[in-house]
This record gives sequence, C-alpha cells and structure tokens, in this order.
Amino acid sequence: QKEVEQDPGPLSVPEGAIVSLNCTYSNSAFQYFMWYRQYSRKGPELLMYTYSSGNKEDGRFTAQVDKSSKYISLFIRDSQPSDSATYLCAMRGTGANSKLTFGKGITLSVRP
Amino acid sequence: NAGVMQNPRHLVRRRGQEARLRCSPMKGHSHVYWYRQLPEEGLKFMVYLQKENIIDESGMPKERFSAEFPKEGPSILRIQQVVRGDSAAYFCASSPLEDTGAFFGQGTRLTVV
Repeated sequence: QKEVEQDPGPLSVPEGAIVSLNCTYSNSAFQYFMWYRQYSRKGPELLMYTYSSGNKEDGRFTAQVDKSSKYISLFIRDSQPSDSATYLCAMRGTGANSKLTFGKGITLSVRP
Repeated sequence: NAGVMQNPRHLVRRRGQEARLRCSPMKGHSHVYWYRQLPEEGLKFMVYLQKENIIDESGMPKERFSAEFPKEGPSILRIQQVVRGDSAAYFCASSPLEDTGAFFGQGTRLTVV
C-alpha cells in the first residue's frame, strides 16, 4: 500500500462548479498536510498548508483534514478555467518522517 | 524576497557525462529537498538536506547520484555518467523549518542524448 493515495483523474468540470479533490494516507506519523498546484512545465506552487484536523479556508479554496480517518480534501468553489492544472497533496511528519511525501496528482480541467 | 532559484532550467548531456544541478533556497531557509518528476508521474523524493548535513537520502540511487548543501552557496545535485533513464525534471524545494510547507523552484529539465 502506498503511503499516500490520491483519487485518479483526469477530472473535467464546467466553470463555476465546486471541485472536490481527495487523498488518503496510511502513515500515522504525518502531521502536516499541504496542497500544491502545478501548471504544465512549471514548479509546484504551495496552495494550502494545514496542521490540525478541521477546515482551513483561503478565498475559493478550503482544505479539510480528518486525522482519525487519515483523509484530506481540497475544495475549490466557483471554479475558473485558470484553475486548470495538476493538484498534488503532500504530507510530512517530523524527524525520520520529515520529508514531503506526495500523492500522484490529479489533472483538473475547468471548461468555460 | 526571491523564490527558490534553480539553474540551469534546461540541461542537455550526452550519455556518460556529468550533470550538475544547482538550487539556491529562499532567504532564511535552511532545509532543502530534491525531487524527480517524470512525465505524467508524481514527484519522487530523492534527498533532504540541511546546511552541511544529509538528513534523508532514502530516495537517492546508491550509485552515480550525490547531493550537497554547503555552508555557503547553493545546494548541488550531481549525477555522474548520465544514462537516458536520468532524463526527467528535477525540482528543488526549500523550507525554513521542518514543520512548515516547502516552496519549489521552477525545476531543471535534464535531457540525456
């Protein structure tokens, strides 16, 4: 079993839709959770960073963490064509688990 | 505050040559990570360094690959005797602490011909 599993894609939605992206993980040592956005041929861009279970909102983006279920989500409201990109979840612990471990990523396409 | 700087952005090497990839972390960041990405694949961890120390190199191939992060200057990922399978995008990221998010550079695209 991989440490981080991300829903496979690709995902295509109409403009204005609510998008839900999800990851599950198996390593209980993970404490810090991130979402990155990567445009084609660019470096990943840090979108959201969360530590505790619960929700964190930033504009149209909401990150949700459920440590008891080992499940994290990213919600995008009022999706725009400019949101079309690959989204990667990442997580880390401390000490021996402090490297960032990524999901495989999901490609999102928002149709005008 | 400049972001993570990687150079060169594109690097072409013939089989058997050495490739040297550079990464200058963001100001104040003492943690550096290297990842490799193949087309349509996720980011594969290679190595995690702090100044003058390798913290975790569990993702680094045992042969031909090495990394350093000296007290002064950029972090270097070195690939000796490159083979075609080394062709990929190599990304560097930095963070100020180990319990924060990491910020990525734009990557170096290595092509081995």
